[in-house]
This record gives sequence, structure tokens and C-alpha cells, in this order.
Amino acid sequence: AQKITQTQPGMFVQEKEAVTLDCTYDTSDPSYGLFWYKQPSSGEMIFLIYQGSYDQQNATEGRYSLNFQKARKSANLVISASQLGDSAMYFCAMREGMDSSYKLIFGSGTRLLVRP
Amino acid sequence: NAGVMQNPRHLVRRRGQEARLRCSPMKGHSHVYWYRQLPEEGLKFMVYLQKENIIDESGMPKERFSAEFPKEGPSILRIQQVVRGDSAAYFCASSPPNRGDSPLHFGNGTRLTVT
Repeated sequence: AQKITQTQPGMFVQEKEAVTLDCTYDTSDPSYGLFWYKQPSSGEMIFLIYQGSYDQQNATEGRYSLNFQKARKSANLVISASQLGDSAMYFCAMREGMDSSYKLIFGSGTRLLVRP
Repeated sequence: NAGVMQNPRHLVRRRGQEARLRCSPMKGHSHVYWYRQLPEEGLKFMVYLQKENIIDESGMPKERFSAEFPKEGPSILRIQQVVRGDSAAYFCASSPPNRGDSPLHFGNGTRLTVT
């Protein structure tokens, strides 16, 4: 069964507007963590934001915020005030259990293109 | 504070040759993970290691692939008798122990091309 699902293969957004990238997950573990990474065309993986399953508030990091809806098992990434440099692949990932020895499982990614 | 170091950045091998990919984790990190990424796809977990121990190799192909993380030196992902289907980007990541909220820190990857 797919653990992490990203249903949007590609997205467009106008520069300076906000965009939401969808991510749903599947786990029976009450403790888990959700991560978003950015992969620009140069290929490196850049960590953006983290949400723990017990966190009461949605995570925010600068222009990135996470719309965490636990009952729906969704963890959508919101990028505000899009910039041209935001054009990249974005991956949602999950760690089941709260031990750092547990691997991350990645979704298939969403390619975001920011239009000037 | 150096990040995760992978080398080489690009590797070209002919079918049947061996490929050796190296990874040095971030300072203070004792957990190393290897992932494979095919073009236009997500990262697929291969193996998780700690020093001198393979903890989880559930994503490793049963044949030709092996990984180690010796007491001294970098982690090595070894692919014997490479085939064209092994062409991919191989990423190494590391994390500190006992930090469940810690992300994986990735290297820049090794792009393997099998001709």
C-alpha cells in the first residue's frame, strides 16, 4: 500500500502568489513525523519543514507552512509569496515512529513551476 | 561544519563493471541511509546502516548490491556487474541518534551512468 501519496505531478503558480502542494499519508502508528524536501534542478535535497504527529500547531518556517489535518491524514505544504527560485521538485516524506533510526518514506513528488 | 559528502559526483561504468559509491556522514551523525532515484521519480529507500552494522536492508536488491559502514572511513555502496537499469542517482543521507524529529541530511548524490 502506498504510504505517501502526492497526487499532483505538476503545478504552476504565478510569482508572488501562494501555492498548496498536496500530500496524504497512511500509517497505523500513532507516532510519526512528516517532512517536506525541495529538489531544485541541480539535484540536491533540501529539507524545508517538519511536523510531528503530536504537534498541536501547524509547523511554519519562513514562507513555508504545513497544513496538517490529522483526521484526514494530510500534510499539505503551503508556499506563500512564490519566487522564481521556488521552481523545483517537492517531496513529502514520512517517518513512522519517533526514533531517528527509522527511515523516511518518500512520495513521488510534485514539480512546481513559478511563472514570472 | 561539513555536510554529507558523497563521491564521486558522476560515475560512468560499462555493463559488467563494478561501481563503488562513497559517503561520509555529517559530523556527529551515526546513522547512514542510501536511497536511489530514477529520473522523474521519488527517492526509494535501499539500506540503513550504523557503524559496522546493517540495520535495515529491506530496499536492497537481493543480488549484486551491498553496503557497508566500517568503523573507520566512509560508508560504501557497491554494485557489482552493473546493468543499464542501475543507471540512477544514488543519495546518501545521515542523521543523529535519538532525534525522532531530525530530518535526514542528504549529500549531493552520485549520478551513475551505465553504458
